[in-house]
Amino acid sequence: DAKTTQPTSMDCAEGRAANLPCNHSTISGNEYVYWYRQIHSQGPQYIIHGLKNNETNEMASLIITEDRKSSTLILPHATLRDTAVYYCIVRVPDTGNQFYFGTGTSLTVIP
Amino acid sequence: DTAVSQTPKYLVTQMGNDKSIKCEQNLGHDTMYWYKQDSKKFLKIMFSYNNKELIINETVPNRFSPKSPDKAHLNLHINSLELGDSAVYFCASSPALGAATTEAFFGQGTRLTVV
Repeated sequence: DAKTTQPTSMDCAEGRAANLPCNHSTISGNEYVYWYRQIHSQGPQYIIHGLKNNETNEMASLIITEDRKSSTLILPHATLRDTAVYYCIVRVPDTGNQFYFGTGTSLTVIP
Repeated sequence: DTAVSQTPKYLVTQMGNDKSIKCEQNLGHDTMYWYKQDSKKFLKIMFSYNNKELIINETVPNRFSPKSPDKAHLNLHINSLELGDSAVYFCASSPALGAATTEAFFGQGTRLTVV
């Protein structure tokens, strides 16, 4: 699997957009970018995924650069409940379907 | 209705004991996993099963033995527990092996403490 690099921690003011970057410069053409988050003491929760195009759902938006070497997860209006560790995962589709988690970004939403 | 459920949620036991953690998913998924999250919060895959068959075993000691009686269940049995086994264990499932676009759904974890 391609390695991902994320900042260790970030702060965001409540109500503002949280922009979480991820570098995946060695991504291959058939690898998807997934984002998960883990709120304290809970299981990881799926947020969004994409291949090339930008994606949006009810939780977040995913912006993938044209060269696919980096992406940004955007939480448009961060709330206190968005405080969590956010994981960016690049996944090979044909090697057992597993997800390899890195160290993630610890996002703290500040009141 | 919980999609991926694990029991027990907490487990405290002595070194040397044998214990099991159960996992059930009601999503009709083909693939199930066990992950371990240690004290440093690093989440690492242990096993992956597809349709009751072992697909991935990530250098886990053979004291850990997963058992999949059917597609909806993947239990984890641990023999001769050691202090280093203390961690949070997460079960997960996803729809199909090799499907690139599918996400995994995680249980709420079992916090195992070995004393």
